[in-house]
Order: sequence, then structure tokens, then C-alpha cells
Amino acid sequence: KQEVTQIPAALSVPEGENLVLNCSFTDSAIYNLQWFRQDPGKGLTSLLLIQSSQREQTSGRLNASLDKSSGRSTLYIAASQPGDSATYLCAVSMNRDDKIIFGKGTRLHILP
Amino acid sequence: DTEVTQTPKHLVMGMTNKKSLKCEQHMGHRAMYWYKQKAKKPPELMFVYSYEKLSINESVPSRFSPECPNSSLLNLHLHALQPEDSALYLCASSQEDQPALYGYTFGSGTRLTVV
Repeated sequence: KQEVTQIPAALSVPEGENLVLNCSFTDSAIYNLQWFRQDPGKGLTSLLLIQSSQREQTSGRLNASLDKSSGRSTLYIAASQPGDSATYLCAVSMNRDDKIIFGKGTRLHILP
Repeated sequence: DTEVTQTPKHLVMGMTNKKSLKCEQHMGHRAMYWYKQKAKKPPELMFVYSYEKLSINESVPSRFSPECPNSSLLNLHLHALQPEDSALYLCASSQEDQPALYGYTFGSGTRLTVV
């Protein structure tokens, strides 16, 4: 059974710092991995999607990497801003069905 | 149009009421999903519709009744809910033929409170 773990559960950093969020999964047979952002009480916004054959994806100040063999992904946020404060969720798609499995998320707080 | 639209954004209902949540997308996606999310928890899958047919029901109580009238619309009918059903209900869609290839698009959710 696939399990997705995100560490840390919560993180506070001063504005301007670069930071890394971690995601690990137990079954490496994934189709893709997706990072989402969720603001309190709101829906999910897709940030980056990495296919199983890819190593990384970039969008603006965000860079997501995938090491499928070791079951790890990282989300790198450069030059953090207070507007980046949100919960970041990692989710994997398996090749057996069309479900996605979420981690519990990392609550990020950027201090002005 | 690259969005999934959910209405209403907020809903308060009594335990004897009947209400419906609505989800709409015009991206030509053929798979649509309902998720339930409690505070500070990840979303939990409830139902999956593929080509307008129910393909996955994650043992959801019968007081939740999904409906897919057409390929663009997904409803969730609610009846005799309990206070513990209060949560954020999220709708999502994906290209069914390769859902894992293109990822998922989520709506902004309906915040449901059962009193």
C-alpha cells in the first residue's frame, strides 16, 4: 500500500530565505507526482507535475525534483515571500488505477 | 476555460435538509472526482466518475449520493447528514484516458456546515 509522507509538518522561515519541502513515498512504481498549494479553507492549486520519467520541473521560483528510485521528491522555493504562506501537499498517482494519494501536507509560514 | 467551478462556496444545512453541491468543468475532462477534506487533513477520495459512469465509491455512506448528468457536470446530493459530515468538499477533474499523465484540476471547494 502506497504511503506518502511529508516532512516537516510545519515550517516557519523569515522572508527572503530559500527553503525545501520534502515528500517521500513507499512504492516507487508511480506514474507521476504532483505538488499542490492550499490556502486556508480554499481548494487546491496545482503547482508542478512531474512525470515518472522526469527528474525535475520548474515554474518561476519553484523547482520540484523527483528521485523515483529512492522514493523522494523535494519542492524548492526560492526567495520566499509572505504570500507563499500556505499548506503544500504532495500527491502521487499510481499505475494501477486513477486514484491519487496525498501526503498530510506541510504548513508553511513566511515571516515578514 | 481551465477551471473547475464549484457552487455554492458555503452551505449551512440542518440534519433533516436535502441539498446538492454542484461541480462544472468545460475542459473536456472525462473523469471527475469528489473529495472530502476535514480541517488540517489531506483530501479523502469519495467518488470517481469516468465517462459519466460511477467507477469508484470509497464506501461512502448512502446519505451522500453522486450524480453525473453529463460530461461537464457532477453533483453531490446530500440528505440526512450528521454534524461530523461538516467539511470542505472538493471536486476535481482529469483527462480520463491518461489521468496520471496530465494531473488533476481541483475546484475551490464548498465549505459545508451541518447543524
